[in-house]
Amino acid sequence: GEDVEQSLFLSVREGDSSVINCTYTDSSSTYLYWYKQEPGAGLQLLTYIFSNMDMKQDQRLTVLLNKKDKHLSLRIADTQTGDSAIYFCAEAAGGGFKTIFGAGTRLFVKA
Amino acid sequence: GAVVSQHPSWVICKSGTSVKIECRSLDFQATTMFWYRQFPKQSLMLMATSNEGSKATYEQGVEKDKFLINHASLTLSTLTVTSAHPEDSSFYICSARDLRVETQETQYFGPGTRLLVL
Repeated sequence: GEDVEQSLFLSVREGDSSVINCTYTDSSSTYLYWYKQEPGAGLQLLTYIFSNMDMKQDQRLTVLLNKKDKHLSLRIADTQTGDSAIYFCAEAAGGGFKTIFGAGTRLFVKA
Repeated sequence: GAVVSQHPSWVICKSGTSVKIECRSLDFQATTMFWYRQFPKQSLMLMATSNEGSKATYEQGVEKDKFLINHASLTLSTLTVTSAHPEDSSFYICSARDLRVETQETQYFGPGTRLLVL
């Protein structure tokens, strides 16, 4: 079945790098996503990676994809207090038509 | 960038009443919109896929008579929670897929509607 798993909490100090990990099950997923949700708000698409890519970098964000292990990670360089939020990993499942979300990783950034 | 709005942003209602939530794509057309439900500190659960001009497709375990979805135009989908009960209290989020760009990353999320049923 379709399932996305990620750790629930991560705490880092301001200025350090944050790495959020995710595993997924649908090997046919063509796109994998990282979304950010701030308290009481909807979801903001941070970045995505196509399944034929190993890495994607976008300013402070680096996404690594290990398709063999079905493992996805998001690295945030120079983490700031404004990065404190919930980060959702998601995969395009069901032939790419629907998006399946992980439970979300709550990132705490300590000043 | 593409914007999706939801109205209302929050609603409090009495048990047994019905509540309608609107999802609008403001500057693009969307043949497909998705409705999600999110419980506190949990992930988004896909409830249904709303298709313009046809019946919605509900996920397993979601009562179609309880959660009525209407996608009357390319920019509007509505979710009606009928005979709401306290267990229906949740954060409801919609998303819309941009018709113009046939790639999968173009799914935009609304800000969510917080429903509290007393």
